[in-house]
Amino acid sequence: DTGVSQNPRHKITKRGQNVTFRCDPISEHNRLYWYRQTLGQGPEFLTYFQNEAQLEKSRLLSDRFSAERPKGSFSTLEIQRTEQGDSAMYLCASSSGRATNMNTEAFFGQGTRLTVV
Amino acid sequence: AQTVTQSQPEMSVQEAETVTLSCTYDTSESDYYLFWYKQPPSRQMILVIRQEAYKQQNATENRFSVNFQKAAKSFSLKISDSQLGDAAMYFCAYRSVRYSKSTFGDGTTLTVKP
Repeated sequence: DTGVSQNPRHKITKRGQNVTFRCDPISEHNRLYWYRQTLGQGPEFLTYFQNEAQLEKSRLLSDRFSAERPKGSFSTLEIQRTEQGDSAMYLCASSSGRATNMNTEAFFGQGTRLTVV
Repeated sequence: AQTVTQSQPEMSVQEAETVTLSCTYDTSESDYYLFWYKQPPSRQMILVIRQEAYKQQNATENRFSVNFQKAAKSFSLKISDSQLGDAAMYFCAYRSVRYSKSTFGDGTTLTVKP
């Protein structure tokens, strides 16, 4: 296992189209996070899964955004009817979350850069 | 809600010299974690160092150390003997014990001059 994997690395789409991103976390990690990062800013939290349960969603996650993590393994983030303001880097991270190691850090993927034209 | 502020958008340092990056945060919680992440250009974010709020001793990792001032809500990163490979954007992050999400600052771009 070489870390958190995200696909695609880059996506260019026309406004109004739907896009889907995939994240494969580190295999033994049960926690998975999605963040959005725009140029010159730090990552902003979008949503969080523990196993297959989506436990928290940010207000940034509008109705056009949906995330899933079937079977508690990989996760997908879908954006419907994309807008130019959705252009950003979408980062996925995973962490262990074991009770004996609750302070473990999140490991990040390389991100998917979305450009909406 | 917690906030994290990095007041230095850009910093530069001469190779082999020492540089300190600043971070302040706001929280009403007493127990939490603080992190510094490094994000090189077009590469993934990696953890540099972490600090548990209940620990009084400042964390160190080789050339990287922190100055954690809990009362002042300050968490600065010191990089000693700077190397060209240290050039990157550095993010300070806060994570509650109760919740898993992290709150990030807007980053400091560090340039290392040869």
